[in-house]
Formats: sequence, C-alpha cells, structure tokens
Amino acid sequence: QKEVEQNSGPLSVPEGAIASLNCTYSDRGSQSFFWYRQYSGKSPELIMSIYSNGDKEDGRFTAQLNKASQYVSLLIRDSQPSDSATYLCAVDSGAGSYQLTFGKGTKLSVIP
Amino acid sequence: DVKVTQSSRYLVKRTGEKVFLECVQDMDHENMFWYRQDPGLGLRLIYFSYDVKMKEKGDIPEGYSVSREKKERFSLILESASTNQTSMYLCASTSNSVDGYTFGSGTRLTVV
Repeated sequence: QKEVEQNSGPLSVPEGAIASLNCTYSDRGSQSFFWYRQYSGKSPELIMSIYSNGDKEDGRFTAQLNKASQYVSLLIRDSQPSDSATYLCAVDSGAGSYQLTFGKGTKLSVIP
Repeated sequence: DVKVTQSSRYLVKRTGEKVFLECVQDMDHENMFWYRQDPGLGLRLIYFSYDVKMKEKGDIPEGYSVSREKKERFSLILESASTNQTSMYLCASTSNSVDGYTFGSGTRLTVV
C-alpha cells in the first residue's frame, strides 16, 4: 500500500512568517509530486507541482523535493490570513501512472 | 477556463435508494477519478477510468459502481445507499501524469 504522510497540524504561524509544510512518501518509483490547497468546504486546488530534485519557486510558494530521502516540502513566504487552509500532498504511482495518492493534509492557520 | 462540473453540491438521500452522482469535464481528458473525503481519513479512491467504457476499482469500491459511456462524463452510482456512505464526493480529471488533477466542486451526500 503506497503511503503519503503529513503532519495533521494545526500549524499556526503569524502573519508575514514562513510556513513550512512537510510530506514523506513510500513509493521510490514516484516521479510527480503535487501540493493542493483546500479551503474548508471547498474542493482541492492545485498550487504547485515538482518533478526534479531541488527547489521550484512560484511567487510566495516554494516546493522542495528530495527523492533520496523521499521527502517533499512546501514553503509559504510572507504568510497571509488567506493562506489559512488545509494543504494536501499528492504523489503519483510511478512512471506513466495517472493515479495520485494523497496525504491526509496539514491544516495551516495564519494568525493576523 | 477548464472545468469539472459535478451536478449537485448537496444531496440528501434515504437508506436503500439508488444514487447517481454525475461528473462532466470539458477538457477532453481521458482520465477521470472518483474520490470520497472523510475527516481523518483523507481522500480515498473509489473508481477510475482511463477511457470510454473502461473502469478500474480503486481502494474502496465496495457499494459503488461507475459508468463512462462518453469521454466527458463519468458517473458514480451508489447501488443501495447506506449511512456509512455519507461523505464528500470529489470527481477529478487529468490528461497526463504530470499536470495533476482538476477537481470538481464536490458533492456533499448525506444518507439518512
């Protein structure tokens, strides 16, 4: 059974701080990694994808991937109250697979 | 703007009823998925389809079936609704393994 693990939180950070969200996965064959944001009562929304080791930046978001450690992270700089949501890590099932396995999510609260 | 549309936002059904949840995408995606999301359990894959007329069981198919008669439409069927099927149901689609999923807005089903 493929597993994706996240701390459930809640993770509380003050406005303007850096929020760091972490995810580990079990399948060494995984090649595509995604972060989704889900507001309460809404469906998940894709915010970042990463496929290669290292960092990928998009605005205030940075995704980090370390395949040797089977570790993915998401950094949110200058956190805003509007970033308060649950963040889901998703990992594919290997080359050519369209299936994603999701972590249970980390709830982030940004305190004004 | 690409869209995955789920026909109902909220549904209330009685135990034993046959329930149809509809999902339509306008992105010409081959791959479509049905998940349910429950507190503490995360997103769990029910069924998926990689082509018209094709269906594959996910992790929790018991009590469900699906239909994909046209490329754009993927229906989830609860053959005889039970209270333990009360949940948020999410439909998603993708065209490949690197773009991630686009989710519909979800259907919150309550079985009484």
